[in-house]
Amino acid sequence: EAGVAQSPRYKIIEKRQSVAFWCNPISGHATLYWYQQILGQGPKLLIQFQNNGVVDDSQLPKDRFSAERLKGVDSTLKIQPAKLEDSAVYLCASSPQETRGPYNEQFFGPGTRLTVL
Amino acid sequence: AQKVTQAQTEISVVEKEDVTLDCVYETRDTTYYLFWYKQPPSGELVFLIRRNSFDEQNEISGRYSWNFQKSTSSFNFTITASQVVDSAVYFCALTRGSTLGRLYFGRGTQLTVWP
Repeated sequence: EAGVAQSPRYKIIEKRQSVAFWCNPISGHATLYWYQQILGQGPKLLIQFQNNGVVDDSQLPKDRFSAERLKGVDSTLKIQPAKLEDSAVYLCASSPQETRGPYNEQFFGPGTRLTVL
Repeated sequence: AQKVTQAQTEISVVEKEDVTLDCVYETRDTTYYLFWYKQPPSGELVFLIRRNSFDEQNEISGRYSWNFQKSTSSFNFTITASQVVDSAVYFCALTRGSTLGRLYFGRGTQLTVWP
């Protein structure tokens, strides 16, 4: 079974530029998560989708970050314009769970390392 | 609010030593899940174990063991006879039982095992 795919793996941009990351979850997984991991910290949830609807985006800086999950499969995360403090690894995860109930494991992708100069 | 504290930022051991990684959590929920993940230099988070709040049995899997104590809100992870391949950042995480799975992570512990 293929894992969670992310691209690009690395990206270097200058501040005020725009950038987009792509995530392809494991086939059939209903729930998709984007996490931000700043160096030396644990991952922090940015946004959670169930199918193509947003479940939780309370920690997403909506003035500059946006995300979508078209057709309930792939997802893109965009930053516009980027700031120095956005330098981090952006991790995508997916989970098969569809309803509230026993927890289902989250499977993580390799991440995209963003450097903002 | 949910919070996970990993007080040990970095630990260095020599191969074959035993090492324990500490994790203390805070939650007001009665139903919750605790996790340990491993993050090798490649960056991908690798799931190690999940524990629900109603199961305080300790667990052993090969060289890995976990000690869950609700009385002290701790979920510690021990590696017996450590190996160089165990070198990684280890994260403890918590999720509420009532939600669809948002994970709250600690800051991680960098474990270095020297040959």
